[in-house]
Amino acid sequence: DQQVKQNSPSLSVQEGRISILNCDYTNSMFDYFLWYKKYPAEGPTFLISISSIKDKNEDGRFTVFLNKSAKHLSLHIVPSQPGDSAVYFCAATFSGTYKYIFGTGTRLKVLA
Amino acid sequence: DTAVSQTPKYLVTQMGNDKSIKCEQNLGHDTMYWYKQDSKKFLKIMFSYNNKELIINETVPNRFSPKSPDKAHLNLHINSLELGDSAVYFCASSSQGYTEAFFGQGTRLTVV
Repeated sequence: DQQVKQNSPSLSVQEGRISILNCDYTNSMFDYFLWYKKYPAEGPTFLISISSIKDKNEDGRFTVFLNKSAKHLSLHIVPSQPGDSAVYFCAATFSGTYKYIFGTGTRLKVLA
Repeated sequence: DTAVSQTPKYLVTQMGNDKSIKCEQNLGHDTMYWYKQDSKKFLKIMFSYNNKELIINETVPNRFSPKSPDKAHLNLHINSLELGDSAVYFCASSSQGYTEAFFGQGTRLTVV
């Protein structure tokens, strides 16, 4: 029973263009969502998060959008850079649960 | 100065052996976690500790025993290792389990 899903295993984008990574969830109790970036042989690195009371959060080139009614969130990277090439995981949690549920990841490749 | 550090980074061992992975965080966080990334790259919660108390044990075989001597450390001991235990194990920590989690670099365990 996968509560957090990333349906695109991979994505290729030209340098300078926008990368859009998508994530769907099923558990309506989730109220805090996160995006992590992971390079090979390293641990996941926190990128950006959003609380369910918001529908958008922006940090530099990274913006996360949350659509609660659709149980969908997305990460926009503008402009994409070759150094953004990595696996991106979305994760979700809710207060008192003491765990983060991760999606299966999307491998982003930014082409120079 | 690494925030979440785990040792060793690589561990190759024979079936039936007992091994430990150590984790330390210097962030002053109250909550620590062990995650397993299997061959399908899925990041799955194993254990959560809050203030040295076990909060979550997510259907992990009892051959896996976490130990938290203090809030800054969460070690993972595995008895009678099996081939299926081969995976990458990540330690993480967060503040109160409801903010972003910081991950260690991972321990790649290979059981032969």
